[in-house]
Amino acid sequence: NAGVTQTPKFQVLKTGQSMTLQCAQDMNHNSMYWYRQDPGMGLRLIYYSASEGTTDKGEVPNGYNVSRLNKREFSLRLESAAPSQTSVYFCASTLGREKLFFGSGTQLSVL
Amino acid sequence: GQSLEQPSEVTAVEGAIVQINCTYQTSGFYGLSWYQQHDGGAPTFLSYNGLDGLEETGRFSSFLSRSDSYGYLLLQELQMKDSASYFCAVQAGTALIFGKGTTLSVSS
Repeated sequence: NAGVTQTPKFQVLKTGQSMTLQCAQDMNHNSMYWYRQDPGMGLRLIYYSASEGTTDKGEVPNGYNVSRLNKREFSLRLESAAPSQTSVYFCASTLGREKLFFGSGTQLSVL
Repeated sequence: GQSLEQPSEVTAVEGAIVQINCTYQTSGFYGLSWYQQHDGGAPTFLSYNGLDGLEETGRFSSFLSRSDSYGYLLLQELQMKDSASYFCAVQAGTALIFGKGTTLSVSS
């Protein structure tokens, strides 16, 4: 039982490059989330998926796209990376809404 | 929109009690959660209040007043390992929105 698994753990991109952050959970959770964390800014919600087949924008969705591939997997795509997207990205999942389980994070640098 | 306010920093000594407050503004409120995050780690769930009142889990307690849009996390018998960031979070519809976090520093 791995919980929430994120890949990669570290990534360096050049401005304009694209990449997809992968997230998978094995807890049969309905809802999945993508957050970014910047110093002094807390965790800001990028996109979320309340259930398989649905996705919704969060607080800071610009420059990102998501795919809820199935109940287990929720990916985050940067189509054209910008330095402002340098951040730590966390994926999370929950069965209800009370308790989120987080992945270990992806540290992304955009040069 | 949603907003949460919590102090940015709190300091305390080992064995002391500290309270971290959180005030919020949101529509479609369901409950208030608290998370702990150590440096370099992922946030981990501490507690949840869906109804007014106090919830106790070991050395940690959390309180909610829905009428005041206010809650707090109470940490007792502080230990060095409690040095971390603490986030309050509100359920707004189907999303979970976090505050900016409170950094707790515990000294000996």
